[in-house]
Amino acid sequence: AQSVTQLGSHVSVSEGALVLLRCNYSSSVPPYLFWYVQYPNQGLQLLLKYTSAATLVKGINGFEAEFKKSETSFHLTKPSAHMSDAAEYFCAVSEGAGGSYIPTFGRGTSLIVHP
Amino acid sequence: EAGVVQSPRYKIIEKKQPVAFWCNPISGHNTLYWYLQNLGQGPELLIRYENEEAVDDSQLPKDRFSAERLKGVDSTLKIQPAELGDSAVYLCASSLDRGADTQYFGPGTRLTVL
Repeated sequence: AQSVTQLGSHVSVSEGALVLLRCNYSSSVPPYLFWYVQYPNQGLQLLLKYTSAATLVKGINGFEAEFKKSETSFHLTKPSAHMSDAAEYFCAVSEGAGGSYIPTFGRGTSLIVHP
Repeated sequence: EAGVVQSPRYKIIEKKQPVAFWCNPISGHNTLYWYLQNLGQGPELLIRYENEEAVDDSQLPKDRFSAERLKGVDSTLKIQPAELGDSAVYLCASSLDRGADTQYFGPGTRLTVL
C-alpha cells in the first residue's frame, strides 16, 4: 500500500522568501512522485515529477523537488515566492513496476504569499 | 492541443435525482481517470480506464455510481440516486499510459446536492 503525508495544511510566506512545502511518502515498490498545483476553480496542473532518474527534479515556474529515499521525502522548494504562486499544492505517489499504478494524493497544502 | 474537457462545469440537483458528468480526454490518451475531490482534500480515485477497460474501480460506490468509456475515448460518470454527501468536485484526467505518465486534468464538475 502507498500513502502520502503533506505536513502543514497552510504555509504562509512573504513575497521573495523561500518556499518549502513538505511531503513524505510510503510505498512498497520504487515510487513515482509528483507535485501538482491547483488554482481556484481549476483542475490540477503538473509542476514536476520523479521517475527514478535524477533525484533533484526541476519543474515549471522555478519550482524544484529532491527525492530522498532514506527520508522517504519529496519536498517542494522555490527560492523566491511570487504573489502568483498562491494556490493549493498536492503531492502524489504512484507505485511503478510491480505495484498498483494507482495514484494517491495528499490532502494538499495551501500556499499563502504576503506582499 | 485541446486539454481535457468536462461538462457541465456546475450542477445543482435535489437528492434522489440522477446526474451525469461527461469527459473528453486529450486525443491519443489511453488512460482515463475519474476522481472525487471534497473541499479541502486531495483527489481520490474513483475509477481508472485503460482504453475501454475499467482496471481500478475499487473505490467506486457501485450501488449508486456507474461509469463507462465507449470506444476508449469519451467517458461518462453517473450517480443515481444522488445523496447529500455526493456534493463535491468530480475531476477527470487523462494520460498517455499509466504509471509515470503525466496526468492532465480537466477543470472539474462541481456538484451540489440539495
